[in-house]
Parts: sequence; structure tokens; C-alpha cells
Amino acid sequence: SQQGEEDPQALSIQEGENATMNCSYKTSINNLQWYRQNSGRGLVHLILIRSNEREKHSGRLRVTLDTSKKSSSLLITASRAADTASYFCATDPPGRRALTFGSGTRLQVQP
Amino acid sequence: DAGVIQSPRHEVTEMGQEVTLRCKPISGHNSLFWYRQTMMRGLELLIYFNNNVPIDDSGMPEDRFSAKMPNASFSTLKIQPSEPRDSAVYFCATEQGGGNTIYFGEGSWLTVV
Repeated sequence: SQQGEEDPQALSIQEGENATMNCSYKTSINNLQWYRQNSGRGLVHLILIRSNEREKHSGRLRVTLDTSKKSSSLLITASRAADTASYFCATDPPGRRALTFGSGTRLQVQP
Repeated sequence: DAGVIQSPRHEVTEMGQEVTLRCKPISGHNSLFWYRQTMMRGLELLIYFNNNVPIDDSGMPEDRFSAKMPNASFSTLKIQPSEPRDSAVYFCATEQGGGNTIYFGEGSWLTVV
């Protein structure tokens, strides 16, 4: 079974709007990462947040982490058509060396 | 750096045939992962290697699947015999020594008919 579950499964917004995606996970973690996948391509790392961090920023990306609720959110501000992609959260639970990926959110940004 | 290189990018094969997928990791990365992606099951970890040694192969679905990493520059994932339900995108990804960020190849799109 997957460690992370993203919500919503699909999201459609207009260019310039903000997009928020959520991820819930089941076990304790060392860190949580977000990846992006364009159609027909491999996944690309966006941002990593450690379990002792609550918020992190990178350009137009803002990630929050609430370990008490076992959840994270990814906010993309001022979205662009080029942000259209699937977004995945990934966790590395203690004792498991490899990342476990969630089911992903498909984001469509309308120009 | 050329990134993680996978081949073939696309393969269509008949049921029962042997399929070999190849991966060249990023130079200096000592962990290598094989993932499978399908609409139904999402991204699943099949196996991962650390310093060319298989560490966790619990995700390998059946004995029909095998993976090798004979050296730090090359890995293969083999399916023999292939079945239609093996149709998926197979990703190779690598990581440099505990950095946690993994780098994906572009995937091998496999269709078994």
C-alpha cells in the first residue's frame, strides 16, 4: 500500500491563481519530499522538508509539514500554464531506505 | 551531467518474450532504484541497490522479474516471460550517498501484447 495519499486527485485552476495540494502519510518520517512529473517524463525533485521543519519556501513553492497530523501541503503561487503536471509527495519512513510515493495530484493550469 | 539514462524508451513485445530494461546511473551515485508506474497502482518500488548490492527486493512482484547491477555504471531489470499485466512505465532512479533527493530517468514504456 502507498504511504502517501494526495488530495485532491485532480485540480484545475486558471493561470495566476494559487494551487494547493495536500499529502497525508501513515508512519513517522525522516523527511518529506515533493516531486513533479510532466506528461510522459520522469519525476523531478522540487523540495525537501525535514521532520523537524514546519515550513519551507523555494521560489513560488511553499511547503508545510505537520507531523502531529501526518500531513503536508504544497502551495504553488501565481500559477502558470507550464506548472501543468502531476505532483507527488514522497516519504522515507525510518528503517526503509527508499522513498515511498503517494498517488499524486494532477494539476491543470488553464492559460 | 547526462542524468539517468534508460533504454529502451519504448518497447512493445509479445506475451512470453523476454524483456530487458537498462539503466545507466549518474556518475558517483551509489544508490539505484527501480520503480514501476501504472494508473492502477501508482509508483511502486521494485528493488533498490546500494553500492551495487541489492538491499530490498521485496517489491519485485514475481520470480519472473530479476534485477542486476554488475557494476556502478549499469543495471538491468529483466522480465522473463513477460505478461500483458507487466505493461507499465519502468523508472530507474539514483541517489548520491544519503542525500535523499533521487534523480529519475525518463522511463521505459513497456507494452506487452
